[in-house]
Amino acid sequence: DAGVIQSPRHEVTEMGQEVTLRCKPISGHDYLFWYRQTMMRGLELLIYFNNNVPIDDSGMPEDRFSAKMPNASFSTLKIQPSEPRDSAVYFCASTSGTDYYEQYFGPGTRLTVT
Amino acid sequence: AQSVTQLGSHVSVSEGALVLLRCNYSSSVPPYLFWYVQYPNQGLQLLLKYTSAATLVKGINGFEAEFKKSETSFHLTKPSAHMSDAAEYFCAAVMGTGKLIFGQGTTLQVKP
Repeated sequence: DAGVIQSPRHEVTEMGQEVTLRCKPISGHDYLFWYRQTMMRGLELLIYFNNNVPIDDSGMPEDRFSAKMPNASFSTLKIQPSEPRDSAVYFCASTSGTDYYEQYFGPGTRLTVT
Repeated sequence: AQSVTQLGSHVSVSEGALVLLRCNYSSSVPPYLFWYVQYPNQGLQLLLKYTSAATLVKGINGFEAEFKKSETSFHLTKPSAHMSDAAEYFCAAVMGTGKLIFGQGTTLQVKP
């Protein structure tokens, strides 16, 4: 299995630009999570999906952030417009309902907003 | 508020020495507990988990952790550190919200 795949691995953009992060979960996993990691706040859960449906988006910082999961093998996290304080590493993770808490993480996308 | 606290953001040990990384949780109900490891520029990998079975849990790479309800702790240990153990370690818990709550992480440095 290829594991959770994220793209791009690094993204540098200017303030105000739209940023789209992509994630392909492990085949057969029905839960997908988006996390953000910063030095100040550590790892934070932004949103998670079950069977492509958003279940809890209470961690999404503000309306500039949106996430979609159009099918079982693809999800996006979009920031529009981006701000310097959005600079962080964004992780996608997936798991199956049979072992919900054992999450498999992707390598992350390091976002820098200048 | 429910939380996970890792004591010590940086721990340094010599190769071959005991590794002890501390984790405490705040919850009146024993949660599910996890240790994850993050190597540079990689995602998190599960080391071990406690889900209310045996209180001493063995994980990968020679690590183990003991759940102590009286101390609300789940410390991670390894008898003999190896250079390849240098990484960041995260303790996490699932409590009432059903979500994984992570500690702030502990960076382990292994000196030759």
